[in-house]
Parts: sequence; structure tokens; C-alpha cells
Amino acid sequence: EIVMTQSPATLSVSPGEGATLSCRASQSVNSNLAWYQQKPGQAPRLLIYGASTRATGIPARFSGSGSGTEFTLTISSLQSEDFAVYYCQQYNNWPLTFGGGTKVEIE
Amino acid sequence: EVQLVESGGGLVQPGRSLRLSCAASGFTFDDYAMHWVRQAPGKGLEWVSGISWNSGSIGYADSVKGRFTISRDNAKNSLYLQMNSLRAEDMALYYCAKGEGSGSYHSNIFDYWGQGALVTVSS
Repeated sequence: EIVMTQSPATLSVSPGEGATLSCRASQSVNSNLAWYQQKPGQAPRLLIYGASTRATGIPARFSGSGSGTEFTLTISSLQSEDFAVYYCQQYNNWPLTFGGGTKVEIE
Repeated sequence: EVQLVESGGGLVQPGRSLRLSCAASGFTFDDYAMHWVRQAPGKGLEWVSGISWNSGSIGYADSVKGRFTISRDNAKNSLYLQMNSLRAEDMALYYCAKGEGSGSYHSNIFDYWGQGALVTVSS
């Protein structure tokens, strides 16, 4: 099983600032990496797949990068609606696995 | 509009069984893989099981292998999860999720999610 590790666990950011979230895989997942956003009481929402392709309707302030074992989600100029928990997920191999999540909170 | 509606959750004693259903609409159900993903209270996401469009490919997390069975009925646009020998650690909100596309990789991206069915395991 591929273990996904996200850091930091919590990120405190002021509105308007940028945020960088990291995700590491225990072995290469090529570019088969997705990012999801989850707000309290809601189902997760797909943000990024293929490590860097934004899903339909996702604003350009969300960008993804990386390949192999190291990946980054960057949110430029955080808006109030961006404060949430973010998960990475590898889909290179079954079982599919998620990282433990990064909570982006208001500083 | 894509809609996924889970049902069948509830309170069940340890060791007993429960069957979840997911009713899908707004897309051609038999074109896409489907999955179950769960989230224990206050915890992260865990993939439980996935099934290809024609049920030819099925996978499970190690934590549920041998106890849970995924199935689908394309004529009814429905996905199911039969959960046997339930344990306290199976208590979670169970989401039904649609695979994003065709192919062995894109089918394992979750582009639409239901609102979840809560499974509580307690004596």
C-alpha cells in the first residue's frame, strides 16, 4: 500500500496571503495524484488531478505541481471560502490512498 | 446535474450486517467506475472499495477485504455495499463517489460525491 503523507497538518494564513501544501508518496505515483477540498459538513470536492490539471470550475488561484513522490498544492491569495481541509490522493495503484489532510485556517 | 444519494445507514451492533445503496442520476451510470469512501468522525478520508463500469474489476481496502462486498446494478443506476461482520472501527460516514473518466487511472479520480450515509456500530 502506498502511504501518502501531508504537511503541515495545520496551516494558519491571513486572507489574501498564499499557501503551499505538501504531499509525499512512499513510492512513485507518477503524476496520478489528485487534490480535494473539504469544508465542515460537506462532501469533498475535486480540485486538481493529474498532479496539475484543475477540475472543472476550479479557480486559477489553485495550482498543483510535482511528480513521482513529491507534490505541492499552491493557493495564491486565499479567499474566505478557501479555509478548509485539503487532501491528496494517489490513484496510481490500488488500494487507492489519501493523505491525512492539511487544515488551512484563518490566522 | 449529477446526483448521488446514499441510503441504508443506521445503528447496528458489532458483528451484524448492513447494506448501503447509492442511487445515481444525471449521467450515464454504466459508463463510469464507482467507489465507496468513508470518513470516521473527526478523521480523514479512507477509500473502501471500487468497481469498474462492467463489474469486471473490483478492489477493496485491506481493512474491509473479506467482510465487505461492492456491487452495482446498471439497469437500476445503483451502487451497493454489503457490509458484514461490522466492527466499531467501521463506524463512519460512507460516501458514494463517481469515477472521473474512463481508463485505468481516470476511473479512480472522484469527481462527484454524495452527501454520505452514516453507519454507527455500537452495542
